[in-house]
Amino acid sequence: ETGVTQSPTHLIKTRGQQVTLRCSSQSGHNTVSWYQQALGQGPQFIFQYYREEENGRGNFPPRFSGLQFPNYSSELNVNALELDDSALYLCASSLLSSTDTQYFGPGTRLTVL
Amino acid sequence: EDQVTQSPEALRLQEGESSSLNCSYTVSGLRGLFWYRQDPGKGPEFLFTLYSAGEEKEKERLKATLTKKESFLHITAPKPEDSATYLCAVPPSGGYNKLIFGAGTRLAVHP
Repeated sequence: ETGVTQSPTHLIKTRGQQVTLRCSSQSGHNTVSWYQQALGQGPQFIFQYYREEENGRGNFPPRFSGLQFPNYSSELNVNALELDDSALYLCASSLLSSTDTQYFGPGTRLTVL
Repeated sequence: EDQVTQSPEALRLQEGESSSLNCSYTVSGLRGLFWYRQDPGKGPEFLFTLYSAGEEKEKERLKATLTKKESFLHITAPKPEDSATYLCAVPPSGGYNKLIFGAGTRLAVHP
C-alpha cells in the first residue's frame, strides 16, 4: 500500500510569485485535505477536496486554490505569495467520513523571500 | 468556539521517567480525537483515534485515554527515540471532515 506523497520537498520563492504543490493520496482514499503549518504551531486547515469538488474551506484568502484529479491526486496553488506564506504545507488523505483517520504526507517546506 | 489546547508546550524527561501530556477540547458532539506524532520538518504520523469517554488505546510505550473534556497521552519509561512533537486534533462541531489541531507538546527525552 502506497502512502501519501508530496512534491517538491522544499521550495524557495520570492514575494509576488505563484507556486503549485502536489499530493498523491493513499491508495483507496477519495478525499484530500490541505493544511498550513507555521513554525511552532499546529496545522491549520486550508481546504478539502472530495470527488474533484471543494468540500469545505478554512479561513484562507482566495489566492489559495486547489484541484483534485480523477485519480484523487491534488494540487494546491498559491498566487501572489506573501512572506507570511512561508510554512510547511501538508496534504492528508482519507475517506470522506468525519470520523475517518487522515493520513499525512511528508510535507512541502515553502520559503518566501 | 471549537478549540483544542495542549499542555505543557514543552516537556523534558530523562530516559525512563514516565509522564503525561494533556489535550483539552471544546467541541459539541465529539466525533473522535486523534493523536499524531511529528518529527521536525516531517508530516504528522498517526498514532491513535479515540471515540468515546473511557476509551483507552496503547502502542508500545504510549497509552491514550479520553474523558468528556480532555485526553491524556501517557508515556511510560520513554526512550530518546520518543522525542518528537505530539499533536492532538478533533473534527469541529458541524460535521466537516477536517481537523482542528492543538499547538502540540514538544517532548525531549534525554539519556
